[in-house]
Amino acid sequence: DAGVTQTPRHEVAEKGQTIILKCEPVSGHNDLFWYRQTKIQGLELLSYFRSKSLMEDGGAFKDRFKAEMLNSSFSTLKIQPTEPKDSAVYLCASRPGTGEYEQYFGPGTRLTVL
Amino acid sequence: QEKVQQSPESLIVPEGAMSSLNCTFSNSASQSIWWYQQHPGKGPEALISIFSNGNKKEGRLTVYLNRASLHVSLHIRDSQPSDSAVYLCAVVSSGSWQLIFGSGTQLTVMP
Repeated sequence: DAGVTQTPRHEVAEKGQTIILKCEPVSGHNDLFWYRQTKIQGLELLSYFRSKSLMEDGGAFKDRFKAEMLNSSFSTLKIQPTEPKDSAVYLCASRPGTGEYEQYFGPGTRLTVL
Repeated sequence: QEKVQQSPESLIVPEGAMSSLNCTFSNSASQSIWWYQQHPGKGPEALISIFSNGNKKEGRLTVYLNRASLHVSLHIRDSQPSDSAVYLCAVVSSGSWQLIFGSGTQLTVMP
């Protein structure tokens, strides 16, 4: 079975640009998560979808970060406009959503904002 | 919100030694505790989870949970260089859907 796929693996953006990160969850999984990972803050939740419905929109991340689930097998995370402090690894994870808590993570997208 | 703290921040052990990692959490009603392993350039991967007080053993891994002291530990017997990675402790609060992660322990196993 294919795991979680994320593209691109690396992204370099100029300050103020719009970038879109993509994620394909494990086939059949109902729950999808977006996280940001930095050395200082660790893993921070950005968004959570259950059966394509947005359940959590990340609080402090709301204004420039927007995650969407276009269908059950594809999600995007848009950052607009980007700032240097957004430089981090962005991870997508999915899980079956049937009472199981284990999350399956993709390899991440490393974003550098200049 | 649940708080998860890990220690030490980094740990260096020789090949064949026991590696011991610690994690404390803030809510004794936490539903389950997970340990994830993350190699450079990869996403975290679940290793082992525990719900009940006591210990759980899987292969070279043993987890000990003490809800009264809000403490969980991971022990890796006969550590190998391939075990070198960041280990993340994650907690699911009772009644919650969310995994709250600690900041991680960087384990280095020297050949």
